[in-house]
Amino acid sequence: AQRVTQPEKLLSVFKGAPVELKCNYSYSGSPELFWYVQYSRQRLQLLLRHISRESIKGFTADLNKGETSFHLKKPFAQEEDSAMYYCALGTNAGKSTFGDGTTLTVKP
Amino acid sequence: EAEVAQSPRYKITEKSQAVAFWCDPISGHATLYWYRQILGQGPELLVQFQDESVVDDSQLPKDRFSAERLKGVDSTLKIQPAELGDSAMYLCASSSTGGPDYGYTFGSGTRLTVV
Repeated sequence: AQRVTQPEKLLSVFKGAPVELKCNYSYSGSPELFWYVQYSRQRLQLLLRHISRESIKGFTADLNKGETSFHLKKPFAQEEDSAMYYCALGTNAGKSTFGDGTTLTVKP
Repeated sequence: EAEVAQSPRYKITEKSQAVAFWCDPISGHATLYWYRQILGQGPELLVQFQDESVVDDSQLPKDRFSAERLKGVDSTLKIQPAELGDSAMYLCASSSTGGPDYGYTFGSGTRLTVV
């Protein structure tokens, strides 16, 4: 069975500070990892996926299979980054399992 | 930009009544998902369709929930009878592939309140 753990329910940083949202997963197969974001009053949307090795809005995430982690990082947080962030684990069957999310607040 | 359409946005229903939600995925997306999100938790998969066929409904409470996608396009999720514990956000998502490689596109959801 697959499982995603986001250990921090709430995370607060000041504008310009680095931010790291933690995600750990449990899965016996080859994982596909994603980060989704939900801004206030908006729908849940895909932020980035590990397979693309992309940087979106300054965020990056590296898959560490040894530590079974996929932490989301940004070197300089902005106020507009305040949102709910969900880590998700996808399988070959097309099913994704989501963590319970981390609410990020960036203070001015 | 193409979107996943869901209706209604909000639904209040009395316990033991029937309720239905509708989803229209992005045109051409073969895979459609219904997720339930209880307040304070992440989305949980209820049912996955590939075209008109159910691929995974292992977490769907089949004694009261049903889902269909008759023509492989739009989909309906029904609850009958509704219970207080069904109060949640019901999210529809679609994907162009059968696998998770590209992630999902979500609709805005239906907020269900059972009283």
